[in-house]
Amino acid sequence: DQQVKQNSPSLSVQEGRISILNCDYTNSMFDYFLWYKKYPAEGPTFLISISSIKDKNEDGRFTVFLNKSAKHLSLHIVPSQPGDSAVYFCAASLGFGAGSYQLTFGKGTKLSVIP
Amino acid sequence: DADVTQTPRNRITKTGKRIMLECSQTKGHDRMYWYRQDPGLGLRLIYYSFDVKDINKGEISDGYSVSRQAQAKFSLSLESAIPNQTALYFCATRAGGPGSETQYFGPGTRLLVL
Repeated sequence: DQQVKQNSPSLSVQEGRISILNCDYTNSMFDYFLWYKKYPAEGPTFLISISSIKDKNEDGRFTVFLNKSAKHLSLHIVPSQPGDSAVYFCAASLGFGAGSYQLTFGKGTKLSVIP
Repeated sequence: DADVTQTPRNRITKTGKRIMLECSQTKGHDRMYWYRQDPGLGLRLIYYSFDVKDINKGEISDGYSVSRQAQAKFSLSLESAIPNQTALYFCATRAGGPGSETQYFGPGTRLLVL
């Protein structure tokens, strides 16, 4: 049973516009969420994260929003640039107890930014 | 220089062969992880280690073994490779303790089992 879901396998956006990548989770015990970006032939690189005690975290062009009641988070990229074209993974972590050692990943969304 | 390195970057082997994938890190982190990525399946955890004396199975450990030779080195072995172990393999590290949930990944090893 998939605990972290990224329901859109791919997304195409025009350069300069906003990219919105979505992620849903089922385990209400997750308390920390991360977004990773992955280029072909490279490992995932950390992009931005958010703790469950917050509803928004911003870092330059990247903002992550968390809606705990809906068990939903989203990554906004504004403005989108061609270099943002990559696969984006959503991941979740349990803060304490069993499972606190690991990240649970979604299947990824491939973002294509069209010049 | 990269903080997390993996060797080899690419490997082709035959069914039944033993193969070892190696990971080294210079981040000084205690925790190390091995993941595999298959198309459309995201990253799945194979094994993880909190320190040299602590090794734990992840979600998909069958057919794999690991060795933590030192704090900085974590190896993944396929004792008898099979074609459905063809995948991208990633090593990751993480500092211990709360507030350090971020894992840092190596560049990956692309493995093809014929």
